[in-house]
Amino acid sequence: TQLLEQSPQFLSIQEGENLTVYCNSSSVFSSLQWYRQEPGEGPVLLVTVVTGGEVKKLKRLTFQFGDARKDSSLHITAAQPGDTGLYLCAGSIIQGAQKLVFGQGTRLTINP
Amino acid sequence: GAGVSQTPSNKVTEKGKYVELRCDPISGHTALYWYRQSLGQGPEFLIYFQGTGAADDSGLPNDRFFAVRPEGSVSTLKIQRTERGDSAVYLCASRRTEARTGELFFGEGSRLTVL
Repeated sequence: TQLLEQSPQFLSIQEGENLTVYCNSSSVFSSLQWYRQEPGEGPVLLVTVVTGGEVKKLKRLTFQFGDARKDSSLHITAAQPGDTGLYLCAGSIIQGAQKLVFGQGTRLTINP
Repeated sequence: GAGVSQTPSNKVTEKGKYVELRCDPISGHTALYWYRQSLGQGPEFLIYFQGTGAADDSGLPNDRFFAVRPEGSVSTLKIQRTERGDSAVYLCASRRTEARTGELFFGEGSRLTVL
């Protein structure tokens, strides 16, 4: 059973289009992070969200934490080929817990 | 170096052999994690160390897997009697303890192939 479900698992779009990736769970998370991973490398942190309803922006990327802290979304505006990669959400269930569980990832391909 | 270092980067072994994978975390990071990642999947939690002790080993799949961190820095993941299903990339990450929601810094992983 996957604690964090990401959708879609694969997404291939043209440069300039917008997209949204979702991360859902039946569990409440004390915090949630989004990572991006490129082939042959480890994941790299993009953002951490802690408060329900929180919205954070990182250039063309907008991250939102659901009000109930059970879900999150990543929206990319005007996607570019450099956005191509595996996007992973990861969360800590228990307040103060250090264990971080990952979703299965969304593989994003931006075509020039 | 300044980042998390993992060795070997690639390991090919035969079914039934013993394997050790090493992780050297960022200096001063007391929290250390091991994950396993299969092709096209997200990282699967294996074990987490706080200092020298394993604070959470609930992700270790069975007793063939064992990890140590004797001096609270370098960690070794040990796999006995390897099976073909153990083939994956094993990722190590470290984090500063006081940063409860802080960033995990990952190494590039050790790719294990069991023939």
